[in-house]
Amino acid sequence: AQTVTQSQPEMSVQEAETVTLSCTYDTSENNYYLFWYKQPPSRQMILVIRQEAYKQQNATENRFSVNFQKAAKSFSLKISDSQLGDTAMYFCAFSGRAGNMLTFGGGTRLMVKP
Amino acid sequence: GAGVSQTPSNKVTEKGKYVELRCDPISGHTALYWYRQSLGQGPEFLIYFQGTGAADDSGLPNDRFFAVRPEGSVSTLKIQRTERGDSAVYLCASSLTSGKNTGELFFGEGSRLTVL
Repeated sequence: AQTVTQSQPEMSVQEAETVTLSCTYDTSENNYYLFWYKQPPSRQMILVIRQEAYKQQNATENRFSVNFQKAAKSFSLKISDSQLGDTAMYFCAFSGRAGNMLTFGGGTRLMVKP
Repeated sequence: GAGVSQTPSNKVTEKGKYVELRCDPISGHTALYWYRQSLGQGPEFLIYFQGTGAADDSGLPNDRFFAVRPEGSVSTLKIQRTERGDSAVYLCASSLTSGKNTGELFFGEGSRLTVL
């Protein structure tokens, strides 16, 4: 079974600064996907960024980038130029061979301060 | 519709009652997932449908929980003899394909169930 661990329950960052959210996972699979989802107070989970395990290059989406360390089973999210609208819960998630079924971490609450 | 729609948005019920939660996925999405999210925690997998059949129901906590998707589109999560521990947000998600690790699930806004 896969497990996903987010060790930072809460983080805060000043507007326009950079913040990194941590995630580690455990799996015996070699091919898989990793994701970061954002959940604002509206409750709707929104995909932020996706990484395919067989790709060595770290994924980037505008202000969001990841540091994927496959050997260490680490998958951190970096948010640059933080904006007030980035305030939300962030969940790291894993998808293996079982279709697109996701295993989520416990989440990190991010507060961006003006 | 444009996105995944879940009804009701909020449901308050009494212990022992029967509850149905509905999910209308994005048109054309063959895979549908139910998750349960307790306060302050990440979503936990309940059940996944590929078309009309439940491809994986290993996450259902006990036999009080049941889900159907009779026509391969709308799904209903049914909870019998509700208990206070069932209180949570129930999230539904859909995706175009399954079994290929394409990744993205599209989520609804969830149904918040409160059992008094």
